[in-house]
Amino acid sequence: NAGVTQTPKFRVLKTGQSMTLLCAQDMNHEYMYWYRQDPGMGLRLIHYSVGEGTTAKGEVPDGYNVSRLKKQNFLLGLESAAPSQTSVYFCASSWTGETQYFGPGTRLLVL
Amino acid sequence: AQSVTQLGSHVSVSEGALVLLRCNYSSSVPPYLFWYVQYPNQGLQLLLKYTSAATLVKGINGFEAEFKKSETSFHLTKPSAHMSDAAEYFCAGRRGNEKLTFGTGTRLTIIP
Repeated sequence: NAGVTQTPKFRVLKTGQSMTLLCAQDMNHEYMYWYRQDPGMGLRLIHYSVGEGTTAKGEVPDGYNVSRLKKQNFLLGLESAAPSQTSVYFCASSWTGETQYFGPGTRLLVL
Repeated sequence: AQSVTQLGSHVSVSEGALVLLRCNYSSSVPPYLFWYVQYPNQGLQLLLKYTSAATLVKGINGFEAEFKKSETSFHLTKPSAHMSDAAEYFCAGRRGNEKLTFGTGTRLTIIP
């Protein structure tokens, strides 16, 4: 039981490049979330999903897209990376939407 | 929307001393409240949660928090700090079907 895993752990992008962050969970959770963590700002919700095939915008969705084609996976895409997207990205999952379980994070640096 | 405020972005305590990390919420309706801990280069781990069953909530690693409606607070405490408690702590809250809202975090340093 690996819990929530994230791929990759670290990535460096140039401005304008695209990439996809993968989140996988093996707990059969319905809810999945993507957050970004920036110094002094806590965690801010980017997008979330309440079940396979569904997605919804969170607090800071601009510049990101997501997909939930399979229940266990939640992908976060950056179509054209910007320096302002330099951050640590966390994925989380939850059975009921109450207690969330977090992955180890992905550090992204956009130059 | 529910919001939580953590007082003090950095807290330092001596090993063996009381740990007190402050969190206040803004809501007239008691929310669900959580404390998470983040160790360096790791994800967030749930310490404890309040879901209205009891006002004093005990969590992992000897931490506990007390929900005080009159003060709209949910402060985290531990009687005796250990070096291993050094981490960043986040208070979070949600009300009903709203999304979880995090505080800005408190970095706890333990002085040997």
